[in-house]
Amino acid sequence: TQTVSQSDAHVTVFEGDSVELRCNYSYGGSIYLSWYIQHHGRGLQFLLKYYSGNPVVQGVNGFKAEFSKSDSSFHLRKASVHWSDSAVYFCAVTNTGYQNFYFGKGTSLTVIP
Amino acid sequence: GGIITQTPKFLIGQEGQKLTLKCQQNFNHDTMYWYRQDSGKGLRLIYYSITENDLQKGDLSEGYDASREKKSSFSLTVTSAQKNEMAVFLCASSTGDERLFFGHGTKLSVL
Repeated sequence: TQTVSQSDAHVTVFEGDSVELRCNYSYGGSIYLSWYIQHHGRGLQFLLKYYSGNPVVQGVNGFKAEFSKSDSSFHLRKASVHWSDSAVYFCAVTNTGYQNFYFGKGTSLTVIP
Repeated sequence: GGIITQTPKFLIGQEGQKLTLKCQQNFNHDTMYWYRQDSGKGLRLIYYSITENDLQKGDLSEGYDASREKKSSFSLTVTSAQKNEMAVFLCASSTGDERLFFGHGTKLSVL
């Protein structure tokens, strides 16, 4: 069974703070890990992905994520958040055939100006 | 760049009604997906299609039909709407490099 777990349903921080959004997965075989952002009333937008190589991947708007095989984790981080980063963030995993993307339940990030 | 267009944006139906949601993409992507998003439950795959006239069931296919008559379009039919059902249906397409591009969604309410 493939699972993606995002332990925090809601995270609230102040503008300029750093933030970490957590993602743990359980999946067999070769996988791709990715993060998506969903602003209110919109579809999801791709942020970044990891398959192999450097475990730290850079995404758009200052986001980065770090893969850890030992922890089965792929946490998303940003050093200094902006109010416009307020959105729901989804972690996703898919296999090399990308026939199904399994998504976590999402973490709602609120940035207080 | 391209765009994924979902119609309608809002869909209100009656219990037992058959309802159809449409999705068009101009990326020229091969693979298209339908996901259902329920509050607090993330996204769950209903159907996907890797090419024209291909259909593959996802984890949530029961109660739905899909159709991919053209490469650019992928429609989803709720075969019998359930009373008080409320969800957002998201269409997506794939570049083939493990990235999904999403439409803005169709919000379904069943009275």
